[in-house]
Amino acid sequence: SAVISQKPSRDICQRGTSLTIQCQVDSQVTMMFWYRQQPGQSLTLIATANQGSEATYESGFVIDKFPISRPNLTFSTLTVSNMSPEDSSIYLCSVRAQDQPQHFGDGTRLSIL
Amino acid sequence: DAKTTQPPSMDCAEGRAANLPCNHSTISGNEYVYWYRQIHSQGPQYIIHGLKNNETNEMASLIITEDRKSSTLILPHATLRDTAVYYCIVRASGTYKYIFGTGTRLKVLA
Repeated sequence: SAVISQKPSRDICQRGTSLTIQCQVDSQVTMMFWYRQQPGQSLTLIATANQGSEATYESGFVIDKFPISRPNLTFSTLTVSNMSPEDSSIYLCSVRAQDQPQHFGDGTRLSIL
Repeated sequence: DAKTTQPPSMDCAEGRAANLPCNHSTISGNEYVYWYRQIHSQGPQYIIHGLKNNETNEMASLIITEDRKSSTLILPHATLRDTAVYYCIVRASGTYKYIFGTGTRLKVLA
């Protein structure tokens, strides 16, 4: 299965600032996804990162708050913009290769002060 | 989109089989059932998936009822390292998106 690296693994940020999270895969994959996991909760899909085009966002998530890039088949970024304490969560990248189930990175633990 | 219902928590004695149930009564005919687990501080780990037939791999077995409205994940000999939150997921129809439910927190007891 694909090896997924997320950076940073954790961060503490000031409210009002933005943070960009990187997701790097060791092989080309067909699909990449971004999830949020709020404290003590399950995972919620934020968006599907589309290679070479705008991401597809789920209900309740907007591009201005969570801009996503996917310049190629092995890399994607998620930016959490204008952060508030409510954005404190784990943000996870997942990937899907052809005919394979999704595989997840270990996430980025984000705390907003 | 099919949704899943799981008990919030379960205990299992070490060395015994852990049977984790999942209801997915609105599943449609071409939707797969996936199982993942999440150990603290890690991302979800894929365990197994199936469509209609029972499946087995080195980690677990998946039993799907004939009407496909429910399934059971079986860990044949649970160890302390199997303590985790287990998620039963039905892939959203026509897409590759996962809709996570609340999961079952399995605690394996020594």
